[in-house]
Amino acid sequence: QMQLVQSGAEVKTTGSSVKLSCKGAGYSFAYRSLHWLRQAPGQALEWMGSITPFNNNTDYAQKFQDRVTITRDRAMSTAYMELSSLRFEDTAMYYCSTTTGGAQSFDPWGQGTPVTVSS
Amino acid sequence: DIQLTPSPSSLSASIGDRVSITCRASQSINIYLNWYQQKPGKAPKLLIYAASSLQSGVPSRFSGGGSGTDFSLTISSLQPEDFATYYCQQSYSTPFTFGPGTKVDLK
Repeated sequence: QMQLVQSGAEVKTTGSSVKLSCKGAGYSFAYRSLHWLRQAPGQALEWMGSITPFNNNTDYAQKFQDRVTITRDRAMSTAYMELSSLRFEDTAMYYCSTTTGGAQSFDPWGQGTPVTVSS
Repeated sequence: DIQLTPSPSSLSASIGDRVSITCRASQSINIYLNWYQQKPGKAPKLLIYAASSLQSGVPSRFSGGGSGTDFSLTISSLQPEDFATYYCQQSYSTPFTFGPGTKVDLK
């Protein structure tokens, strides 16, 4: 069964960086794009970017282009998302998910990692 | 970016009701529209992909339709476990975008 397991909760201060991980299991990690999304409290979901582990191609939302870096370790079947220059408004639940095929629908999802940014 | 506008933004319904939610895209997205269900404190769950295909394991009371700019999600007979927020999402082009969600609660 396909599964994504994310790293634990983070508390950061403004201006710092956070690096989250997402480990895939039960599927060929290299051949499914791995995406990072976030959801601020009471808000809708927001796509941040993705990586294709096979060829290391990345795609970022313009909103995060200057602050986000997505990487992967194929041997560990793990993807990482680093967000820099953290602001209060980056406080959110961060999810990873995968897509495949033409529909590019997100399934499955990781359990989520809460990130809190404070002063 | 492609904007998605659901309707209604919230609705109250009773067990057994037929419930429909629509999602309008700001431009044509063919059938690249997916629906998710999210319950409080949980990750979203894929219900429908490619506008009308039922995800494996999802009850058949859920159905989707539409193409181009107008899409719908229908629950044929609302069950207690269906009270949740429903999101549409376009996968036509990046940045992938989600609608602001429709909250379904008990009347």
